[in-house]
Amino acid sequence: DAGVTQSPTHLIKTRGQQVTLRCSPISGHKSVSWYQQVLGQGPQFIFQYYEKEERGRGNFPDRFSARQFPNYSSELNVNALLLGDSALYLCASSLYISYNSPLHFGNGTRLTVT
Amino acid sequence: DAKTTQPTSMDCAEGRAANLPCNHSTISGNEYVYWYRQIHSQGPQYIIHGLKNNETNEMASLIITEDRKSSTLILPHATLRDTAVYYCIVRVANAGGTSYGKLTFGQGTILTVHP
Repeated sequence: DAGVTQSPTHLIKTRGQQVTLRCSPISGHKSVSWYQQVLGQGPQFIFQYYEKEERGRGNFPDRFSARQFPNYSSELNVNALLLGDSALYLCASSLYISYNSPLHFGNGTRLTVT
Repeated sequence: DAKTTQPTSMDCAEGRAANLPCNHSTISGNEYVYWYRQIHSQGPQYIIHGLKNNETNEMASLIITEDRKSSTLILPHATLRDTAVYYCIVRVANAGGTSYGKLTFGQGTILTVHP
């Protein structure tokens, strides 16, 4: 079975631009979460979506937004890019919306802002 | 949030068991302990999780103390491919149910398996 897939794998953008990152969850998983991992640090939670609704949000500015589609895939959008947005963006899916349901991560999109 | 404390780094010989400790003295009764690992440039990989009882799967065993204040991840026969950063995470429940997707990653333990 395919794991969580993310696209693109690498992306280079200029300050002020906008970017859209895509995620396909594991088949049958209805929940998707997004994380940002800056070099040298652990991943930080951005959003969780379940059944197309936002269920949780981390401490990120309004420039970050996301949505989930009827097929449970998801997009993360970042507007007005800053140099500090350069990071590995990770998507994770889970079967249930439960603390007993593990999150399974994709290999991320490496975003570089110049 | 319940916080975890892990050693910064550990070494292990190939073929030997790797025992990675984690302290989580402020854990609450309904909070799960999760272990993930991350190999350079890849996403975190789920290993195992537990609440009270010891758990075992094809990758590892998780031993949780009776008071739940600490746990140990055991990789029974470490290989070179097990070299990674290992994260011990307490999955915190909140009253509003808005933290289901949130895992709080610390600095983790860098495990180096050598020949």
